[in-house]
Amino acid sequence: QLQLQESGSGLVKPSQTLSLTCAVSGGSISSGGYSWSWIRQPPGKGLEWIGYIYHSGSTYYNPSLKSRVTISVDRSKNQFSLKLSSVTAADTAVYYCFAHPDYWGQGTLVTVSS
Amino acid sequence: SYELTQPPSVSVSPGQTARITCSGDALPKQYAYWYQQKPGQAPVLVIYKDSERPSGIPERFSGSSSGTTVTLTISGVQAEDEADYYCQSADSSGTFWVFGGGTKLTVL
Repeated sequence: QLQLQESGSGLVKPSQTLSLTCAVSGGSISSGGYSWSWIRQPPGKGLEWIGYIYHSGSTYYNPSLKSRVTISVDRSKNQFSLKLSSVTAADTAVYYCFAHPDYWGQGTLVTVSS
Repeated sequence: SYELTQPPSVSVSPGQTARITCSGDALPKQYAYWYQQKPGQAPVLVIYKDSERPSGIPERFSGSSSGTTVTLTISGVQAEDEADYYCQSADSSGTFWVFGGGTKLTVL
């Protein structure tokens, strides 16, 4: 059974880059079968797909965020990461890492504020 | 951009049947997944590939598909089923994912 754990800065200044990492345990990120994904949820709102990466390294991003998003994998550490550049207050949300379709991290709140 | 449409809210009395719909043009081609989310918690998968139930999910949860609409059915609703429910699928290419806006299930 996979376990996912997000880590990273909980407070980011406007115009800076949000960086989060998801540590995967209970399985190898290099094995097939999962899409390693990032999802976010603004306070009081619904879920928004950010993007995902396959074990092959192929990446797919939400078109609305594509110009600002990078998802990458570090196989040596069995983890994957999210970078979101040029953040604004609208990027304030709980960010979840997610092994589609069935394993979620607990989520981490990221606040964009000066 | 591709969208999935859910009703904002559904209300039922305990023991009744709740049905939550999700509509999207690509649903005849792409599988749908349903997630339950309770306040302050991460979502939990309750139905995958339109109608499959993961182990550990009560039998009262079921899923079905007809044309451009998928439906999550909760039979014999219990108070503990009160939560937000989200459908998730992909566009016709299978590349870009999307979540429905979510449905708040209230158990009266």
